[in-house]
Amino acid sequence: EVQLVESGGGLVQPGGSLKLSCAASGITFSGSWMSWVRQAPGKGLEWVANIKHDGSEKYYVDSVRGRFTISRDNAKDSLYLQMNSLRVEDTAVYYCAKGARYGDYWGQGTLVTVSS
Amino acid sequence: EIVMTQSPATLSVSPGERATLSCRASQSVSSNLVWYQQKPGQAPRLLIYGASTRATGIPARFSGSGSGTEFTLTISSLQSEDFAVYYCQQYNNWPPWTFGQGTKVEIK
Repeated sequence: EVQLVESGGGLVQPGGSLKLSCAASGITFSGSWMSWVRQAPGKGLEWVANIKHDGSEKYYVDSVRGRFTISRDNAKDSLYLQMNSLRVEDTAVYYCAKGARYGDYWGQGTLVTVSS
Repeated sequence: EIVMTQSPATLSVSPGERATLSCRASQSVSSNLVWYQQKPGQAPRLLIYGASTRATGIPARFSGSGSGTEFTLTISSLQSEDFAVYYCQQYNNWPPWTFGQGTKVEIK
């Protein structure tokens, strides 16, 4: 059974930092592109970033480039999202998803709230 | 960036009836389109990829069609568990993944 479990969300002040994690099981993590997608409260889905199976390629949506960093540890079957200089508009549920072009499996998400 | 537009925003349907959801791309995406289902408080679930291929475990009442710029998701006979929000997403030009704004299917 595929499981993607996100953690690390919480309340942070504007300008602060947070690191999200996604633990994977039931997939060949080291052979999989992985992605982060977010959903602001009551809104639609927005792709954030993705990373190639070996970490050699990374892509970001324009609104987070230079502030967020996607990374992975294949030895730990884990995906990460380091979020710096957080803004109120980054408030959302953050999902990790398996896939380069679309998400064939998704985690349940972790809520990030940016507020003073 | 390719813009995806879904219609209608909300679709009211009675159980057992047919539902037809539309998705339009601002330029051709060939057949590189997926559909997701999202229920309240849950993650999106992949329904259809390649515009018309059902994902693993998806019931046959879900079908996708179209290519180029016009796509349709049809639910042949709505079951209670099908009331949800549905999103289309193109992957012809990625990154980024670009999603439609969603169609909410509600009980009539």
